[in-house]
Order: sequence, then structure tokens, then C-alpha cells
Amino acid sequence: DAGVTQSPTHLIKTRGQQVTLRCSPKSGHDTVSWYQQALGQGPQFIFQYYEEEERQRGNFPDRFSGHQFPNYSSELNVNALLLGDSALYLCASSLGTGTSPYEQYFGPGTRLTVT
Amino acid sequence: ILNVEQSPQSLHVQEGDSTNFTCSFPSSNFYALHWYRWETAKSPEALFVMTLNGDEKKKGRISATLNTKEGYSYLYIKGSQPEDSATYLCASPPYGQNFVFGPGTRLSVLP
Repeated sequence: DAGVTQSPTHLIKTRGQQVTLRCSPKSGHDTVSWYQQALGQGPQFIFQYYEEEERQRGNFPDRFSGHQFPNYSSELNVNALLLGDSALYLCASSLGTGTSPYEQYFGPGTRLTVT
Repeated sequence: ILNVEQSPQSLHVQEGDSTNFTCSFPSSNFYALHWYRWETAKSPEALFVMTLNGDEKKKGRISATLNTKEGYSYLYIKGSQPEDSATYLCASPPYGQNFVFGPGTRLSVLP
């Protein structure tokens, strides 16, 4: 049983460009959450997708958008990249019931570097 | 704004030592406390989920306690081994909301 997978592993982009990161959830899971981890900080919640809709959103600008597909996989898009967007982006999947304390299973992350 | 704190930021211990670290969270509106273990270049791995005041959980040499009245959880590692070297994260999601993580405690166990 494959766990949560993310692609690509690493990515280098230039300021102003756009990037798309991908996530496949653990088998049987229907909810995907995205987190940003900057150096020296804990993961910060970006948003969560359930039934192909954004269900919750953290304190991130509209440059951060996402999508969930019918097979529950998800994409995170970031437009107009800034140097400060350089971080590790983690995807987590869970079985969505609408309430915690659900367990979230994490992927290994995508390391984004913006130059 | 929910603030989850962890201390210490980093810790170096000798193989065989026992160690512990702390996660602090607001006690109001508490719903659950999660501990994760995160090795470099791997995915964070769930260790424990705790919801009740006084909860104690154990997994091998690792155990955790929870005090929701005063807003803290301790993680203990007995007889640390080099393979315990990792960052330990805690998260406390309020009811119906997503995870709020602490900054983590980075543990290095020296052989």
C-alpha cells in the first residue's frame, strides 16, 4: 500500500514564475491538506481539499491555490513566486469526517527554491 | 491565534540516556494533541494522538503524557538510541480546524 507521494522532490524556480506541486493521497483517503515549512519553523497550514472543494484555508495569499481531482489527488499552485516562498511543501492525507482528531499521513515533501 | 510552543529547540544526548521534551498549547478550546517523529528526508510519522486530560500513551521506548488543564504534553524517550535522532513535532488542532504545529524539537543521539 503506497503511502502519500509527492512530486517533484526538488524544484528551482525564478521570482515571478509559477509552480505546480502534486500529491497523491494514501489509498482510501479522500482529504488532502497542504503545509508550508520554512526553515526553523513548524509546518504552516495552507489549505485543505475534500470532495474537490477547498474546505479550510490558512493565512496564505490568493497566489496560493489548489485543486483536487476525482481520484482525490491534489495540486498546489503558487503564482508570482517570491523569494519568501522558498520552503518545504508537505502534503498530508486523511479520511475526511469534518472533524479532528483525524490522523494525517504525510508525504516526504517538495523542496522549492526560488532564486 | 493558537500558538503551539516546543522546548527545547534542540537537544544532544548520549546513547543510553533518557530524555524528555515539552509541547505547550492553549488549554482553552483544546481538542486533541498529536506527536510526530520526522527523520531527515523522510515523511513525518505519527507517534501518538491524545485527547483526554491525563492520557498516557506508550510505543516501545517512547511515551507521552497530556495535561489539558495546564496546556502541556511531555514526550519521553527511555534509553535513547542513534536511530531516535529526528525532529519531534507536536500539533494541537482546535475542534473542527486544521493542525497547528509547534516548531519542533531536534534530537541528536550521539553513539
